[in-house]
Amino acid sequence: KQEVTQIPAALSVPEGENLVLNCSFTDSAIYNLQWFRQDPGKGLTSLLLIQSSQREQTSGRLNASLDKSSGRSTLYIAASQPGDSATYLCAVGSGSARQLTFGSGTQLTVLP
Amino acid sequence: NAGVTQTPKFQVLKTGQSMTLQCAQDMNHNSMYWYRQDPGMGLRLIYYSASEGTTDKGEVPNGYNVSRLNKREFSLRLESAAPSQTSVYFCASTTVPNYGYTFGSGTRLTVV
Repeated sequence: KQEVTQIPAALSVPEGENLVLNCSFTDSAIYNLQWFRQDPGKGLTSLLLIQSSQREQTSGRLNASLDKSSGRSTLYIAASQPGDSATYLCAVGSGSARQLTFGSGTQLTVLP
Repeated sequence: NAGVTQTPKFQVLKTGQSMTLQCAQDMNHNSMYWYRQDPGMGLRLIYYSASEGTTDKGEVPNGYNVSRLNKREFSLRLESAAPSQTSVYFCASTTVPNYGYTFGSGTRLTVV
């Protein structure tokens, strides 16, 4: 059974800092890994999708890496802004239908 | 707009009542999924459908049934609602080769 863990559960940083969110998974037989953002009371916004054959993906100030063999992914956010405050979810696609298994998320607060 | 549409957005049920949550996608995706999200627990997979005509149980299927009506539609039914089913329900879809998962905006269900 795939299990996904995200550390830390919560993080508070001053504006402008670079930060790293961590995600680990137990079964390396994955198809992909996706990072999402969720604002309070809202749905999921896809940030980055990394296929199993890829090592990283970048979009603007966001960079996600994948080390499948060690079961780890990191989401790097450069020059954080108050608008980045949200919960960040890591999800791994595996199984017969590539179903996603989610971590519990990291709640990020960026202080002005 | 292309995407995943969920109805209703909000619902209050009394214990023992039944209801069906509707999900439809217009992206010609093969696979569809139902998740529930509870505070502090991330998203957990209820049921999934790898392709039209197939459905399988996920992590938390008890108390639910599903129907893959056609390629576009995947419904979730609560036959006899219980307070433990109070949650936010998300429908998602994807296809192979995998271009990422698209989520609906969610249904907030309260069972009293």
